[in-house]
Amino acid sequence: QKEVEQDPGPLSVPEGAIVSLNCTYSNSAFQYFMWYRQYSRKGPELLMYTYSSGNKEDGRFTAQVDKSSKYISLFIRDSQPSDSATYLCAMRKEGTYKYIFGTGTRLKVLA
Amino acid sequence: IAGITQAPTSQILAAGRRMTLRCTQDMRHNAMYWYRQDLGLGLRLIHYSNTAGTTGKGEVPDGYSVSRANTDDFPLTLASAVPSQTSVYFCASSATGTDTQYFGPGTRLTVL
Repeated sequence: QKEVEQDPGPLSVPEGAIVSLNCTYSNSAFQYFMWYRQYSRKGPELLMYTYSSGNKEDGRFTAQVDKSSKYISLFIRDSQPSDSATYLCAMRKEGTYKYIFGTGTRLKVLA
Repeated sequence: IAGITQAPTSQILAAGRRMTLRCTQDMRHNAMYWYRQDLGLGLRLIHYSNTAGTTGKGEVPDGYSVSRANTDDFPLTLASAVPSQTSVYFCASSATGTDTQYFGPGTRLTVL
């Protein structure tokens, strides 16, 4: 079993929809959580990071962490065609530089 | 400001050959990382360095070596390439105490 599971998609939604992207993890030692966006043939770029259970909002993006369920989510409001990309979750344990990434979910926002 | 540069952009390599992928950053970040990205497997950490002079093994280090002689450069060497090392390789860096990794544009490597 992988330490981090993420549905690969693709996920297709109409423009303006609310998108929910999710990752589950098996090791409760993970304490730090990130979401990256990766456009085709580009390197990933950080969207959000969060360290505690609960919600963190940044513009149209909300990151949610539920440590008791070992489940993290990224919500995108008012989705745009420019949001079409692969979204990767990442996490690490306290005191390490070893990041574990999910496999990524490919999102298509249709105009 | 260039950020992170990687070279070459792409390479086709015969099995058994030695290859060094180059990575340079101009942000004076202490931490640097090498990942490989494969379809269905996502990004996997090969090696990392939290400061010049030190390196550590990631999730998939076998067949790869790294060095960190200075802050800016973090080359990845495949001593004797094998077809299973066909992948897209990304270098990244981050400032000490942050989780914001900045990724390079990647190197597409094909080993035949």
